Amino acid sequence: GENVEQHPSTLSVQEGDSAVIKCTYSDSASNYFPWYKQELGKRPQLIIDIRSNVGEKKDQRIAVTLNKTAKHFSLHITETQPEDSAVYFCPAEGTGNQFYFGTGTSLTVIP
Amino acid sequence: SAVISQKPSRDICQRGTSLTIQCQVDSQVTMMFWYRQQPGQSLTLIATANQGSEATYESGFVIDKFPISRPNLTFSTLTVSNMSPEDSSIYLCSTITGGTGELFFGEGSRLTVL
Repeated sequence: GENVEQHPSTLSVQEGDSAVIKCTYSDSASNYFPWYKQELGKRPQLIIDIRSNVGEKKDQRIAVTLNKTAKHFSLHITETQPEDSAVYFCPAEGTGNQFYFGTGTSLTVIP
Repeated sequence: SAVISQKPSRDICQRGTSLTIQCQVDSQVTMMFWYRQQPGQSLTLIATANQGSEATYESGFVIDKFPISRPNLTFSTLTVSNMSPEDSSIYLCSTITGGTGELFFGEGSRLTVL
């Protein structure tokens, strides 16, 4: 499968602070970059995505930025809240529309 | 969007037995994917199931252990054969719909093998 590296593996922030998670991918032909959130005991769900013709996308407190030259994209969460606590994934798309998930980032927002 | 139903939602199985997980999508889809999520771990793609052809397995997964059926465009099954405790995991069915590239997941099937 496609290779994606995600950092950090764990992240703790105080409520109200910002959180940034970064993913680095290997395939320069990739053009779709999603972020999934998985709350404890639940299925993963898409929270935001970006395509290669766009450098940044925002949705309220969540934003994704893409640097195609450096082959990395980042998830930014501002004004974090306890309900943001979850595991976040940045899967890489394979050649056959499959998605390969990395190790994920466990985010804990401390009230 | 897609609504994906899986069953069973959970089961406790004896070593050496087999269990079949069913996945039903509320619309016709070309590709269905099966993932495994071991406790505290990420999702690992097992195979891609296309209607009318054999499933494509990822490295480390074989058809004898994880046979998959895809009889029509809304349904698929994954069988976990000859189970051992190492097969204790959540198995998730997923698909892509609507041309957006978004991956939708079923609620998962939590298997515990004793």
